Amino acid sequence: DGGITQSPKYLFRKEGQNVTLSCEQNLNHDAMYWYRQDPGQGLRLIYYSQIVNDFQKGDIAEGYSVSREKKESFPLTVTSAQKNPTAFYLCASSTPRGQNYGYTFGSGTRLTVV
Amino acid sequence: GEDVEQSLFLSVREGDSSVINCTYTDSSSTYLYWYKQEPGAGLQLLTYIFSNMDMKQDQRLTVLLNKKDKHLSLRIADTQTGDSAIYFCAGPNSGYALNFGKGTSLLVTP
Repeated sequence: DGGITQSPKYLFRKEGQNVTLSCEQNLNHDAMYWYRQDPGQGLRLIYYSQIVNDFQKGDIAEGYSVSREKKESFPLTVTSAQKNPTAFYLCASSTPRGQNYGYTFGSGTRLTVV
Repeated sequence: GEDVEQSLFLSVREGDSSVINCTYTDSSSTYLYWYKQEPGAGLQLLTYIFSNMDMKQDQRLTVLLNKKDKHLSLRIADTQTGDSAIYFCAGPNSGYALNFGKGTSLLVTP
């Protein structure tokens, strides 16, 4: 079955560490997205990528970095510059804009700073 | 980008209808979406409506779109306890990503 897989489901980070969240899809979708979800805040866009080797900053990109070397993969690195990284992170993919019938979401990664 | 606003909480009794409301600002929106999120999970696409439609029905779900008032609603008929979740309204922003509302928590009581 086609889908989008995020790993790990739970992640703990020490202060000052970088951590990388994995997102893989086998839906042959060109576009991929990272959102952050905090209680009462809804979803806020971190980064998105419309095509391989290209990505754009979203509304809250500071302290995060991404890469898009393969169509199937869009990893998110939470760097030590992100001051408040504890949150639920959601990855999504879609067909290109104009043919967009909505996103397919992964099941999320919950990141906690310890 | 587009602002999408939703009320934050709704409580209904099992068997009643639920109506979740959303307002948006971007008049160029082509598709508008409703997503459902259960605890600890990702978002699941429930339904969508194209901007040239006023209504779309899909089993227990009815979406109404008032383009003049930029108002979108989701009606769930015969609401069940399994419908308890957070519901998000979403629409395209000026770029290539979706803007989501803050979500409406629906609580269905027996």
